[in-house]
Amino acid sequence: AQSVTQLGSHVSVSEGALVLLRCNYSSSVPPYLFWYVQYPNQGLQLLLKYTSAATLVKGINGFEAEFKKSETSFHLTKPSAHMSDAAEYFCAVSEGGRRALTFGSGTRLQVQP
Amino acid sequence: DARVTQTPRHKVTEMGQEVTMRCQPILGHNTVFWYRQTMMQGLELLAYFRNRAPLDDSGMPKDRFSAEMPDATLATLKIQPSEPRDSAVYFCASGLAAGTGEAFFGQGTRLTVV
Repeated sequence: AQSVTQLGSHVSVSEGALVLLRCNYSSSVPPYLFWYVQYPNQGLQLLLKYTSAATLVKGINGFEAEFKKSETSFHLTKPSAHMSDAAEYFCAVSEGGRRALTFGSGTRLQVQP
Repeated sequence: DARVTQTPRHKVTEMGQEVTMRCQPILGHNTVFWYRQTMMQGLELLAYFRNRAPLDDSGMPKDRFSAEMPDATLATLKIQPSEPRDSAVYFCASGLAAGTGEAFFGQGTRLTVV
């Protein structure tokens, strides 16, 4: 079985500050892990994905995430927040294309000027 | 520009009416997913198909919801009869069964049942 826990339903940071969004997963097999972003009234857009090639994954818009097997974590970071980063972020886990993605409950990121 | 297309983007209907939502997956993708998003429940998987065959529809209320893929370019989600609690955003996504499970999402259909 696969599951995802996102700690913190709301995160607020100042513009220019570090962004850290937390995600822990559970999977019975080596997982594939994803971060998606959703802007208001939009669909989900892939930010980055872990597919076992490298533990530090770089994505779009300056985001990156590190896969830590020992901690079963896949936290999302960005060194310097921008106003345009305000959105909802979803972590998701997959055990391969044979199963559907399982999503976390989401974290709403607010960026204060 | 390959993307998942959903129609309509918005739908307001009266309780008891039939609602049909349509999805055109990305050409070449053989897996299609239907998700529902609400404030209370977040993103829930309703059903998914591989090569047009339903694989899992355990997330769908069977008495009123039905999902089909008449052909490889069209997936439909129907609600009959609709109820106010069905108000939500419904997302279609597509992907490849042989891949990582990555799903490409459409813009969603925002359904309001009054």
